[in-house]
Amino acid sequence: AQSVTQLGSHVSVSEGALVLLRCNYSSSVPPYLFWYVQYPNQGLQLLLKYTSAATLVKGINGFEAEFKKSETSFHLTKPSAHMSDAAEYFCAVQDNNAGNMLTFGGGTRLMVKP
Amino acid sequence: KAGVTQTPRYLIKTRGQQVTLSCSPISGHRSVSWYQQTPGQGLQFLFEYFSETQRNKGNFPGRFSGRQFSNSRSEMNVSTLELGDSALYLCASSSGHRDNYGYTFGSGTRLTVV
Repeated sequence: AQSVTQLGSHVSVSEGALVLLRCNYSSSVPPYLFWYVQYPNQGLQLLLKYTSAATLVKGINGFEAEFKKSETSFHLTKPSAHMSDAAEYFCAVQDNNAGNMLTFGGGTRLMVKP
Repeated sequence: KAGVTQTPRYLIKTRGQQVTLSCSPISGHRSVSWYQQTPGQGLQFLFEYFSETQRNKGNFPGRFSGRQFSNSRSEMNVSTLELGDSALYLCASSSGHRDNYGYTFGSGTRLTVV
């Protein structure tokens, strides 16, 4: 079974500072990996996805993530935080051996201080 | 292109009742998946339907069921509601192909059981 671990349920940064949200996965096969963002009372919006092409993936709103197989990690970064980035972020892995089921991490709530 | 539409947005039900939630996927998408989101358990996969057939099922009791119609719209039903069923129920659509990369989520239905 696949699993996803997000280190840090809450992360606080100052506006303009680097954002780093950590995600580690376990998978018996090459995974597809995703980052989603959720704003209050909303669904999940796809930020970016890794599908075994380039290991550095660029997404929307200035976010990017790097797939590191040796570390089984897929950390999300953004060089400069904006107040509008405050939200909850979820890392997910897709198990292609079980339909299109996504397994999610527990989420990280990002707070941005002015 | 219209997104994923979930109705209703909010529901309040009494313990023991049953409820039906609806999801209309993106036009042309044939796969619909349902997820339950709670503060304690996070995001958990309920089931996936593809071309009117359940393709995958999560670890939920039989009180949770679903179906998909020929136009790809999906409904999920929860019978004999329990307080613990209070959650945000998210629907997600995709093309359904096994090399599909990610889902588009709806805004969810917030179910409160009292």
